[in-house]
Amino acid sequence: NAGVTQTPKFRILKIGQSMTLQCTQDMNHNYMYWYRQDPGMGLKLIYYSVGAGITDKGEVPNGYNVSRSTTEDFPLRLELAAPSQTSVYFCASNSGTGISNQPQHFGDGTRLSIL
Amino acid sequence: GENVEQHPSTLSVQEGDSAVIKCTYSDSASNYFPWYKQELGKGPQLIIDIRSNVGEKKDQRIAVTLNKTAKHFSLHITETQPEDSAVYFCAASPNDYKLSFGAGTTVTVRA
Repeated sequence: NAGVTQTPKFRILKIGQSMTLQCTQDMNHNYMYWYRQDPGMGLKLIYYSVGAGITDKGEVPNGYNVSRSTTEDFPLRLELAAPSQTSVYFCASNSGTGISNQPQHFGDGTRLSIL
Repeated sequence: GENVEQHPSTLSVQEGDSAVIKCTYSDSASNYFPWYKQELGKGPQLIIDIRSNVGEKKDQRIAVTLNKTAKHFSLHITETQPEDSAVYFCAASPNDYKLSFGAGTTVTVRA
């Protein structure tokens, strides 16, 4: 059982380039989330999805886009990379019966540097 | 929205001693409070959680306490071991589908 899988693990981008961070889960979870983790700042929610075809903004959505065409996949898109987007990105999922009933499962992260 | 503050940011303890991490939250509607442990190069993993109708919960060497009146909750690790060295995050959930995280505490257990 793979859980939540993120690719790539590391990436270096130039300013202005675009890329997609991939996230897939094999637990048939309805809810999926993207967070960014900056040093000393904890995890900030970028976008989340409560099911295929449904997405919503979190605390820090500017500069990012998401889509949810299947239950399994929740890719995060950076269109015009900026140095402020240098961070570690985590994808998470849970079943949708409520976080207090079934906790979030996290991937191992994508470390992204923008130079 | 919910604002969670966590202290201290770093904590160094002697092996065998106890470690305590404290968090406060702002939204009185929050009713679920998980704690996550993050090891180097890995994603956070849930280690213990508490709901608003409970004041204390214990799981072996780990315990969490909640004071809803004062809006604070704490993580207690007893008899610390080297494998307890990690970053610990508290979080609060006011709506059962989103979490607000604290900034994290880096715990180092000295042998």
